[in-house]
Order: sequence, then structure tokens, then C-alpha cells
Amino acid sequence: SYELTQPPSVSVSPGQTARITCSGDSLPKKYAYWFQQKSGQAPVLVIHEDIKRPSGIPERFSGSSSGTMASLIITGAQVEDEADYYCYSTDSSGDHRVFGGGTKLTVL
Amino acid sequence: EVQLVESGGGLVQPGGSLRLSCAVSGFTFSDHYIDWVRQAPGKGLEWVGRSRNKANRYITEYVASVKGRFTISRDDSQNSLSLQMNSLKIEDTAVYYCARGSDSSPMDVWGKGTTVTVSS
Repeated sequence: SYELTQPPSVSVSPGQTARITCSGDSLPKKYAYWFQQKSGQAPVLVIHEDIKRPSGIPERFSGSSSGTMASLIITGAQVEDEADYYCYSTDSSGDHRVFGGGTKLTVL
Repeated sequence: EVQLVESGGGLVQPGGSLRLSCAVSGFTFSDHYIDWVRQAPGKGLEWVGRSRNKANRYITEYVASVKGRFTISRDDSQNSLSLQMNSLKIEDTAVYYCARGSDSSPMDVWGKGTTVTVSS
């Protein structure tokens, strides 16, 4: 099976830049997608195809990808950005669709 | 407004069956994929399965742990999709979400989820 690895937690102060990483062997060939899930709510897509931001997502959210690592970057993190963040991708064959284990972002 | 609404969750004994539904509105159902994603209590997200769109012949895919037990079917005339879950196990206990997607933007809109509890 295929795995995506994320750090369990990231902590920043308000206004700082938060970077959440996701590593996977197939990321050089497959896009990464990022989801935000606030407590008690359904997930929300915040980045698709490595770097694209859906409409309605604040500009402070951006994505990057290099080699086997994709990153979600929140420039000037706000208290309201506190949430669990999950990356998602597939293996090189497209047969296995997986989420990373999730990263809890604390902004305080 | 694009909406997906799950229903059908509940308490079921191990080995039992349950059928979840996902009713959609606000978009052309046949143009989009629909994914099922679940989240066990206190755990992360797990992709469960997918129904591709009409252009991709409604092909279905499943994660290995549910293959042969879960079946996704869709009714374009009713704008709804179902997840038939058989031979349920305790580890299937989770909130189940359905989500709309496409090739470029999977799971771009989610429902609020429905809770399935498998317990004796």
C-alpha cells in the first residue's frame, strides 16, 4: 500500500508563516491536494493540483511541491486557521488513493 | 448552491448491513465523481471509494479494506448515490462523508457526514 507522511503537529504564533509538509514516493509524478478540517466540521479543499487555490480560499494559503515532498504554506497564519490539515494523493499507478495522517496546526 | 447530504447512518451489529445515501443538488450529477471518505472517532481521514462520472462510465473503485463488502451505486435520475455496506466490522465505525470531485479537483465540496456505529 501507499503512504503519505505528515508531521503530527505544527505550532506558530499569529502572523507567522506555517509550513506543513507531506512526503510520499509518488509525489514527483502525482499531484498533492490539501484539506482543512476544523473541529466538528467536514473537510474543506484548500489547495488542489499542488499549487492551485479554489475560489473562496484566502490568499494566505499556498502550496508547493518538490521531489517527494509537498507543502502547504500559510503566510501570516490567523487564529481561525487552527485546524487539522490533511494531504491527499495517489500512488504512481493511481490504484491507491490515500490521505496523510493529518497535522494539527496550533496558532497561538 | 452545491449541496451533498448524507443519510442512513445508525447503530448496527457486527456482521450486519447498512445502506448510506448521498443526495446531491446544485450541479450536474453525471458530470462529477463522488467519493466516500470516512473518519473513525478521533482518527484521520480514510478514502473509502469512488464512483466516477458518466464520461468515465461510472467506474467504481474501493479501498482494499472494504472491497467485496461495500458497493457504490448511483441513480442519476434521482441525483443520489448510495453506499451499501455488508459484513460490517467494528473497525467500520466512523463518520462517513460523500464529496463531489473531478479530475482536477477531487473532493471539492463535502457533505456534513453521517455516523455509522458497529457494535454489539
